[in-house]
Amino acid sequence: DAGVIQSPRHEVTEMGQEVTLRCKPISGHNSLFWYRQTMMRGLELLIYFNNNVPIDDSGMPEDRFSAKMPNASFSTLKIQPSEPRDSAVYFCASSNRAEAFFGQGTRLTVV
Amino acid sequence: GEDVEQSLFLSVREGDSSVINCTYTDSSSTYLYWYKQEPGAGLQLLTYIFSNMDMKQDQRLTVLLNKKDKHLSLRIADTQTGDSAIYFCAERDPKEGGGADGLTFGKGTHLIIQP
Repeated sequence: DAGVIQSPRHEVTEMGQEVTLRCKPISGHNSLFWYRQTMMRGLELLIYFNNNVPIDDSGMPEDRFSAKMPNASFSTLKIQPSEPRDSAVYFCASSNRAEAFFGQGTRLTVV
Repeated sequence: GEDVEQSLFLSVREGDSSVINCTYTDSSSTYLYWYKQEPGAGLQLLTYIFSNMDMKQDQRLTVLLNKKDKHLSLRIADTQTGDSAIYFCAERDPKEGGGADGLTFGKGTHLIIQP
């Protein structure tokens, strides 16, 4: 398995634009997580899905953020409209009951 | 709420053992993890331990768990320059039915290797 695959690896966008981050989890994993990493706040859990169903989105910072998982092999995290304070590295992770594996992340810069 | 605490920095000499410590507050934590992050890279799962274990060894890595004190440690034997990275401790409480809570991470410990 290629592991958790995220795209794009880097994204630079202007304030106000819509940003869509994509994730392909490891086949057979039933949980998917979106995290955000910044120097100030470390790793923050934004939302997670079990069996494609959103379970806890209490970490999503604002209504500008939304996440979907239309099937077991794909998830998106959307920011609309984007703001400079959204600049961070966004990680997707997938898991079976025990092991949790992370993608390489998307480095988002909003200017 | 859940909280995971780690020291921010650890400096060791090449060839010595490194011991990175972590404390957590969630008494229902079932799995505890150690991840490694190199600059500009993602998080690499190093090892994890189930809460009914008190030790796990994997080559140069030894994990010790003191569940009573909610203390987890990672020992790296014969530390090499390639071990220089940020090490994150994380805890998790899986749900019945095969689901799982998200992992709660510490802020990470920067391991600095001196020649």
